[in-house]
Amino acid sequence: KNEVEQSPQNLTAQEGEFITINCSYSVGISALHWLQQHPGGGIVSLFMLSSGKKKHGRLIATINIQEKHSSLHITASHPRDSAVYICAAPLDFGNEKLTFGTGTRLTIIP
Amino acid sequence: NAGVTQTPKFRILKIGQSMTLQCAQDMNHNYMYWYRQDPGMGLKLIYYSVGAGITDKGEVPNGYNVSRSTTEDFPLRLELAAPSQTSVYFCASSLGQGLEAFFGQGTRLTVV
Repeated sequence: KNEVEQSPQNLTAQEGEFITINCSYSVGISALHWLQQHPGGGIVSLFMLSSGKKKHGRLIATINIQEKHSSLHITASHPRDSAVYICAAPLDFGNEKLTFGTGTRLTIIP
Repeated sequence: NAGVTQTPKFRILKIGQSMTLQCAQDMNHNYMYWYRQDPGMGLKLIYYSVGAGITDKGEVPNGYNVSRSTTEDFPLRLELAAPSQTSVYFCASSLGQGLEAFFGQGTRLTVV
C-alpha cells in the first residue's frame, strides 16, 4: 500500500476549467514535492512546500500539515497542461528519501 | 548547463545480458538517485548516493549495482537482465537532502 495517495487517478476537463489534484500522506513530513511528467516522459519539479501556499503562473500548491494533505490547482487550464502530476514526500523519519504517489493523469480537451 | 543527462533513451536486452545506464549531471550536486517507474506504480528508489565514493541501497536494489567515482557520474549496472527489470528508469540529482530534484529524460528498457 502506497503511503502517499493521490486522487483522482485520471481527470479529463475542458479547456479553461479550474483543476484540483489532491495528495494525502500518512506521517508528518518536512516538505512535499509536486512534479509534472510530460507526455514524452520527462519529469520536472513544480513545487516543494512545507507550509501554506506557493504560486507559479497558473499553478498553485497548498499544504495543510495538520491534515497531512496537499492540493495542486491549475487555473484557466490549457491543453498544454495535459500531463501526469505526481506528489512525493519523505515518509521515513530522519531520512529524506521520497515516497512517490502513483500520479494523476490530467487531460485538457480544447 | 545540460542538467541531468541519461543515456540511452531506449534499449532492448535479452534475458541474461548486461548493460550500464549512464547518468551525468553538471550542477555539482552531491545527491544522485536512480528510480524505476512501472505502470500504475509510483517511482521506486533503486540506489542513491550522497557524494562521490558513497552509495546506498534504496527500496528495490536487487539485480542492480551502482558506483560513484566522481561527483558528476552515477552509472547503474544490470548484470543479468530479467523480464522483471523491464521498466522506465530515471536518474535524478539534488543539491542536498530533501531539496528540489532534477530528473533525466528517462531510459525505457525492455528485457525479452
